[in-house]
Amino acid sequence: EAQVTQNPRYLITVTGKKLTVTCSQNMNHEYMSWYRQDPGLGLRQIYYSMNVEVTDKGDVPEGYKVSRKEKRNFPLILESPSPNQTSLYFCASSSGGVGVKNIQYFGAGTRLSVL
Amino acid sequence: DAKTTQPNSMESNEEEPVHLPCNHSTISGTDYIHWYRQLPSQGPEYVIHGLTSNVNNRMASLAIAEDRKSSTLILHRATLRDAAVYYCILRNTTSGTYKYIFGTGTRLKVLA
Repeated sequence: EAQVTQNPRYLITVTGKKLTVTCSQNMNHEYMSWYRQDPGLGLRQIYYSMNVEVTDKGDVPEGYKVSRKEKRNFPLILESPSPNQTSLYFCASSSGGVGVKNIQYFGAGTRLSVL
Repeated sequence: DAKTTQPNSMESNEEEPVHLPCNHSTISGTDYIHWYRQLPSQGPEYVIHGLTSNVNNRMASLAIAEDRKSSTLILHRATLRDAAVYYCILRNTTSGTYKYIFGTGTRLKVLA
């Protein structure tokens, strides 16, 4: 079954304690992306990756890091989390390109609370 | 980046058609129009996309204005399961960028 898997689904942490949210896809997709969703602000793109070792900033990259060492994995790293990073996070992947290949598949989400 | 404008919310009765509008007056010739929806407590899911011609699939239809400055997602018979936030986004396929701007979408409420 085609899947984008995020872990953990729920996370409560404290300010300054480094954390990583993992994302894995089993569809051999080139493109992966991270979004955050906040009430009244909709979905905003944090970072995206067009292939292994190729990443770029989205609209709200401050305070986040990503890496793409393997095609299937795209972890989101918060080196020093702050309360304003409390949010619902989604990972997505797609084949890239045009037409039907460009459909994004989303994970179930990770709800992060930074105290 | 070209942006889209959608109403914040809409209501529909069950079993009736729903027309969800989207304005994208700054769309470029190479922008695809994509629609996604987000059911409660789930990640977004793909609904439909198109470039110039109207499109149909098992979930919905997409009607694109001749000047491409607006589009309408059509759910032919709304069910309670269609209650969700619907996002209209533009996807540029030639700029080499994979930026997506989702915006806040339209929250569809379906009345039984």
